[in-house]
Amino acid sequence: AQKVTQAQTEISVVEKEDVTLDCVYETRDTTYYLFWYKQPPSGELVFLIRRNSFDEQNEISGRYSWNFQKSTSSFNFTITASQVVDSAVYFCALSEGATGANSKLTFGKGITLSVRP
Amino acid sequence: DAGVIQSPRHEVTEMGQEVTLRCKPISGHDYLFWYRQTMMRGLELLIYFNNNVPIDDSGMPEDRFSAKMPNASFSTLKIQPSEPRDSAVYFCASSSRGETQYFGPGTRLLVL
Repeated sequence: AQKVTQAQTEISVVEKEDVTLDCVYETRDTTYYLFWYKQPPSGELVFLIRRNSFDEQNEISGRYSWNFQKSTSSFNFTITASQVVDSAVYFCALSEGATGANSKLTFGKGITLSVRP
Repeated sequence: DAGVIQSPRHEVTEMGQEVTLRCKPISGHDYLFWYRQTMMRGLELLIYFNNNVPIDDSGMPEDRFSAKMPNASFSTLKIQPSEPRDSAVYFCASSSRGETQYFGPGTRLLVL
């Protein structure tokens, strides 16, 4: 069975600090997809990134970067120079199979990030 | 392009009443998902459809819940009769084969 663990529940940082959100996953499939979603206080779920199991390249998008390591089954998310607008709950999610992007997403419990001015 | 549309955004009802949640997926998407978010259980999949056909409904909590997708542009999630423990945020999401699930704004349901 697939499982996503986000061990950190709440993180509080001061603006401009860097912060890393951890995600560890479990799956028996060799083909799977990993995702990060952001849920701001307004409540919607905003897609941030998708990675498939064959693509271990790290990715950077502005202040956001992701580190995917199959050897440790981790898909960590780093925000550089955090801003107050980054305050939200961040979810890591996993789906399995060749068409994994279309089957069920298993979500972690989420990490509540608070960025103080 | 419009995103996933859900209605109503908020629903307050009394125990025992029927509740119907509605979802319009992104045009051209052939997969539709219903998720529920609660403090206790987090985000969990209830059911998903492909080309209007239910594929996996193993997450539907019990017979009080039913979902339909009569056409590619519309889906409903119905709870009858509703109970206080059904209070949650219900999200609809859609995707096109091989792509990402995009979520609607959610319906916040409160059953008194």
